[in-house]
Amino acid sequence: DQQVKQNSPSLSVQEGRISILNCDYTNSMFDYFLWYKKYPAEGPTFLISISSIKDKNEDGRFTVFLNKSAKHLSLHIVPSQPGDSAVYFCAASEGNTPLVFGKGTRLSVIA
Amino acid sequence: KAGVTQTPRYLIKTRGQQVTLSCSPISGHRSVSWYQQTPGQGLQFLFEYFSETQRNKGNFPGRFSGRQFSNSRSEMNVSTLELGDSALYLCASSWDLSNTIYFGEGSWLTVV
Repeated sequence: DQQVKQNSPSLSVQEGRISILNCDYTNSMFDYFLWYKKYPAEGPTFLISISSIKDKNEDGRFTVFLNKSAKHLSLHIVPSQPGDSAVYFCAASEGNTPLVFGKGTRLSVIA
Repeated sequence: KAGVTQTPRYLIKTRGQQVTLSCSPISGHRSVSWYQQTPGQGLQFLFEYFSETQRNKGNFPGRFSGRQFSNSRSEMNVSTLELGDSALYLCASSWDLSNTIYFGEGSWLTVV
């Protein structure tokens, strides 16, 4: 049973517009959420995280929103750039348990 | 600060053989975890080590094993390789158990 789901395998966005990547989870005990970006032939790179006590965290062009009642988080990238084209994974954990990852969403930013 | 280093980066093995992959964590990080990535399956957790002790284990057969040394470096071993073991094996390190983890570039294993 998938505890972390990224229901959109792919997303295309024009350069300069907003990219919104979504993630749903089923375990209400998750208290820490992260987003990673992965380029081909490289390991995932940590982007941004959020604790369950917050509903928003920003870092430059990246903002993560957490809706605990809906068990949903999203990553907003504004403005999107061609270099943002990659696979994005969301992940979640409960206490000191290992991170559980979604299957990823491939973002393509079109110039 | 050097990142997570994994060796080898690429390797090809034959069914039935065994393989050992190595991981050097970021300096000062005490926790090392391993993940398997296959197409369409995302990142599947293998195991996590902290202070030379396995603290968490994923749902993989006993052919998959690992260890951590006193300097926090880690190895994972897969015995009796099967075609389905072909994957990208990722090592990640963190300062403490299951905090934000930082990945290496991975070891690409192809089993033929």
